[in-house]
Amino acid sequence: DTAVSQTPKYLVTQMGNDKSIKCEQNLGHDTMYWYKQDSKKFLKIMFSYNNKELIINETVPNRFSPKSPDKAHLNLHINSLELGDSAVYFCASRLVGGTGELFFGEGSRLTVL
Amino acid sequence: GDSVTQMEGPVTLSEEAFLTINCTYTATGYPSLFWYVQYPGEGLQLLLKATKADDKGSNKGFEATYRKETTSFHLEKGSVQVSDSAVYFCALTDTGNQFYFGTGTSLTVIP
Repeated sequence: DTAVSQTPKYLVTQMGNDKSIKCEQNLGHDTMYWYKQDSKKFLKIMFSYNNKELIINETVPNRFSPKSPDKAHLNLHINSLELGDSAVYFCASRLVGGTGELFFGEGSRLTVL
Repeated sequence: GDSVTQMEGPVTLSEEAFLTINCTYTATGYPSLFWYVQYPGEGLQLLLKATKADDKGSNKGFEATYRKETTSFHLEKGSVQVSDSAVYFCALTDTGNQFYFGTGTSLTVIP
């Protein structure tokens, strides 16, 4: 029973292609996030949705487009991939309020050639 | 704004050595504080947390105490094992939607 699941776990693609990563959580959380982790392990927030509404939209190229069809799902679509997009992308979810810790997926490693 | 400053690594220790990873924070309110651990090839997992001043979080032999007077949440373990080799992240959240992470500290424990 995976709490936060991401697919696919690995993506290898050519520059200029388009790719999508899907995320689902079965924890009943109301808020979901996308983070990018670079090769130095630095975590950068990209987007956050609360009950399907975009609430955090950091400075990210508009080639990145999130979509939340319902509060249990948050997908990330990337157009015209560039070499610098190579990273591990993590989905996370939480229940805002209280201690509200984040629960992370296992990550999706994107390699752009 | 809120932020977390974490001790830079990498840190290399011998098995059974004492571990401290420093973490200090800046926050306008009364945040909750966390330590997350990331084992190689995996996502981040919650290691421990503390929600108010003087709380001590503990798990798997690791401890951290929420110190409001020094705005710190240092991670400690009395005797590290090879299996503790991982990247450790300090983090905080306030009452809003943002979660603030430190830059991560890589720990390698050698036998």
